[in-house]
Amino acid sequence: DTEVTQTPKHLVMGMTNKKSLKCEQHMGHRAMYWYKQKAKKPPELMFVYSYEKLSINESVPSRFSPECPNSSLLNLHLHALQPEDSALYLCASSPKAGDGDQPQHFGDGTRLSIL
Amino acid sequence: GENVEQHPSTLSVQEGDSAVIKCTYSDSASNYFPWYKQELGKGPQLIIDIRSNVGEKKDQRIAVTLNKTAKHFSLHITETQPEDSAVYFCAASMSGGTSYGKLTFGQGTILTVHP
Repeated sequence: DTEVTQTPKHLVMGMTNKKSLKCEQHMGHRAMYWYKQKAKKPPELMFVYSYEKLSINESVPSRFSPECPNSSLLNLHLHALQPEDSALYLCASSPKAGDGDQPQHFGDGTRLSIL
Repeated sequence: GENVEQHPSTLSVQEGDSAVIKCTYSDSASNYFPWYKQELGKGPQLIIDIRSNVGEKKDQRIAVTLNKTAKHFSLHITETQPEDSAVYFCAASMSGGTSYGKLTFGQGTILTVHP
């Protein structure tokens, strides 16, 4: 079982809806990540939070809005998504983001479908 | 930026055989190389990693080797079993600066182990 928990596991939404993805870890990690993964492709980094501060935004469209309320929680708020945003959204955490040799642990993702 | 190439894209072996997956990276500043296994419907699972100050690392049936001069690293799985069937991703990252542990992934290898 993964130590990074993501909810919901599946989400279907219309292009005008607003929804949120949630991620939780209790390993005491201080870095958390959002990735997007299309079928048969590797994960693509979207955002990095280090010590609850947004450290990297990989030029992600503003219809995706991340939030890190505390060191254990990470949210991804979704609004006015497009069909091409349908993908598996993965959350990961690592002990520290500043040190590049920290292992990242992934959750099982939220499968998002945009109608 | 960093570029990671992974070969082969698909690999089919008989149970009990060995499997080898190879990756090359472009940025000599990369110093951390994890390998992930992703099963259908799951998130990537870290199976082994290696840091640039080490040439080889083993964990039971899995081993990773790193050649810093040639900038390539490989995953070796011995005595393969059907449950080893999955997609395997290599990745590279570097410490310090503004990288914040950003992982650059290879394109993945679909490993099939036939009973």
